[in-house]
Amino acid sequence: AQSVSQHNHHVILSEAASLELGCNYSYGGTVNLFWYVQYPGQHLQLLLKYFSGDPLVKGIKGFEAEFIKSKFSFNLRKPSVQWSDTAEYFCALGTAGNMLTFGGGTRLMVKP
Amino acid sequence: EPEVTQTPSHQVTQMGQEVILRCVPISNHLYFYWYRQILGQKVEFLVSFYNNEISEKSEIFDDQFSVERPDGSNFTLKIRSTKLEDSAMYFCASSETRDRGGYTFGSGTRLTVV
Repeated sequence: AQSVSQHNHHVILSEAASLELGCNYSYGGTVNLFWYVQYPGQHLQLLLKYFSGDPLVKGIKGFEAEFIKSKFSFNLRKPSVQWSDTAEYFCALGTAGNMLTFGGGTRLMVKP
Repeated sequence: EPEVTQTPSHQVTQMGQEVILRCVPISNHLYFYWYRQILGQKVEFLVSFYNNEISEKSEIFDDQFSVERPDGSNFTLKIRSTKLEDSAMYFCASSETRDRGGYTFGSGTRLTVV
């Protein structure tokens, strides 16, 4: 069965710091990988997605993620965070039937 | 930007009561989903729905749960006899295609069973 792990549950950064959130998955087939963000009181929004091709994927709001197949990883990065990036971030694995398996989420707090 | 709309945003119900959570997916989307997130736990898949029938369902989606598309716009999740452990945030989502993911999620309905 597939699974997704996000090892950082809580991350606190100062503005302008660089961000990297870890995501590892377990699945034997072709993977589609996603990062979603949930701002306080809002719905899950798609940040970026990987299906195939270039393993470095760029998303909205300056975020990017790198798919490393040998490490079963899809880490999210941003070179310089802002206070408005404070949110919860979810990594998700898409498998057959378009079902998403989510990681546990990482709460990011950016201090001004 | 098109949105998935969920109502109500918060519902409190007594144990054993039936609840219906409502969703209006994006109008040209054909695939519909329900997920839930129990407080402090992962977002979990419940069910996917296409062409007026269930495509996939998880082990969580037992006989107490049902989904329906009663008209051309609404997509509902019914819990027949709620239990305390059904308390969670329920998210509806829709997508244009079956593969390639990237759903649009609604804001969720927080269900509290007392």
